[in-house]
Amino acid sequence: SQQGEEDPQALSIQEGENATMNCSYKTSINNLQWYRQNSGRGLVHLILIRSNEREKHSGRLRVTLDTSKKSSSLLITASRAADTASYFCAPGDMRFGAGTRLTVKP
Amino acid sequence: DGGITQSPKYLFRKEGQNVTLSCEQNLNHDAMYWYRQDPGQGLRLIYYSQIVNDFQKGDIAEGYSVSREKKESFPLTVTSAQKNPTAFYLCASSISSGKGGSYNEQFFGPGTRLTVL
Repeated sequence: SQQGEEDPQALSIQEGENATMNCSYKTSINNLQWYRQNSGRGLVHLILIRSNEREKHSGRLRVTLDTSKKSSSLLITASRAADTASYFCAPGDMRFGAGTRLTVKP
Repeated sequence: DGGITQSPKYLFRKEGQNVTLSCEQNLNHDAMYWYRQDPGQGLRLIYYSQIVNDFQKGDIAEGYSVSREKKESFPLTVTSAQKNPTAFYLCASSISSGKGGSYNEQFFGPGTRLTVL
């Protein structure tokens, strides 16, 4: 079993800017997922990327996966105050890391 | 309305008492999970179940117990043996737990916040 390690731990940006957060993991995977958690709520699934995919888009979200480096990144473009949340990756496992806490200032 | 529900939303317990947290899903999912989240921290896996009448310990199972008598229900009991039970508890379900580096999307409940007085 393994869990992802998200980086940075916290990120603060202005509305309209892009936000990038990263995830590293240790062993090979078949897929990697990203989730979002608003304060005091359950997690919500954002996107799943398979090991044979390098990039995937969903609305303002762009996820990349580099299996040779065992890393993934989540890019949120044109951020909004409503994007303020914690973001977690799950690299092929049911375990989660500590997440990245994103604050988007209006 | 399909989904996963947890009750109650807030729960208070006196030290030394056992308490059971409810988790129900009507998504027809085989796999269910319990996580614990402490303030400002990530999720830690307590128990998971891949099929009815079967469950496995996660990373922090000590002081907790579960049952899976029905596909749609996966209650978690926090026993008096759990030294520091105050936390936010999240239940989740998925089509199956997957294996070999390939796990399915998990659907999460709204959580139960347990406070020990």
